[in-house]
Amino acid sequence: QTVVTQEPSFSVSPGGTVTLTCGLSSGSVSTSYYPSWYQQTPGQAPRTLIYSTNTRSFGVPDRFSGSILGSKAALTITGAQADDESDYYCVLNMGSGISMFGGGTKLTVL
Amino acid sequence: EVQLLESGGGLVQPGGSLRLSCAASGFTFSNYAMHWVRQAPGKGLEWVSAVIGSGGGTSYADSVKGRFTISRDNSKSTVYLQMNSLRAEDTAVYYCAKRDGSGSYFFDCWGQGTQVTVSS
Repeated sequence: QTVVTQEPSFSVSPGGTVTLTCGLSSGSVSTSYYPSWYQQTPGQAPRTLIYSTNTRSFGVPDRFSGSILGSKAALTITGAQADDESDYYCVLNMGSGISMFGGGTKLTVL
Repeated sequence: EVQLLESGGGLVQPGGSLRLSCAASGFTFSNYAMHWVRQAPGKGLEWVSAVIGSGGGTSYADSVKGRFTISRDNSKSTVYLQMNSLRAEDTAVYYCAKRDGSGSYFFDCWGQGTQVTVSS
């Protein structure tokens, strides 16, 4: 059973840079998985940040960027702000209409 | 403006059934695949099911396969999730999400969710 892996938690200082990753329990993440990233605050619906590896969704600040780093997809936040404190989820397209979410990363800004 | 509005959630006993609806507006509904995603209390997001624009193709997570059925009525711009044989572990907020139409395989719009609680 393939699992999409994310760091459970991460912390960053205000103004700092943090990179969250999204991997596979077996194999490498490539652009063929069309990795996308979503931000969620408690009690709210997810918000789309990045799609197709590195394309920012409409209205998303350019301090958010996506890439492939080695064998994983990555979400980098440059110049972190207090309101970036959220849960972040990656999603991979597995084909045949199936998507898989990572377990999510809880980001603390302090 | 693209909008998705879920309804139909509630409290149901284990083994019971529930049908969720998601009414869409602001786009040509039949052109887009629609998905259901859920989130158990204090847990992460979990993909549940998808249906293509025509309704002719569906897919399911292993955790719900054989118990849940996704369908859509394009004349009503509505997608449904019929949930049978419900278990305590199906307790979650259920979101419907619109798939993009550009071939980039991401969710470009989300509803606000509907709560499903399975408990005796």
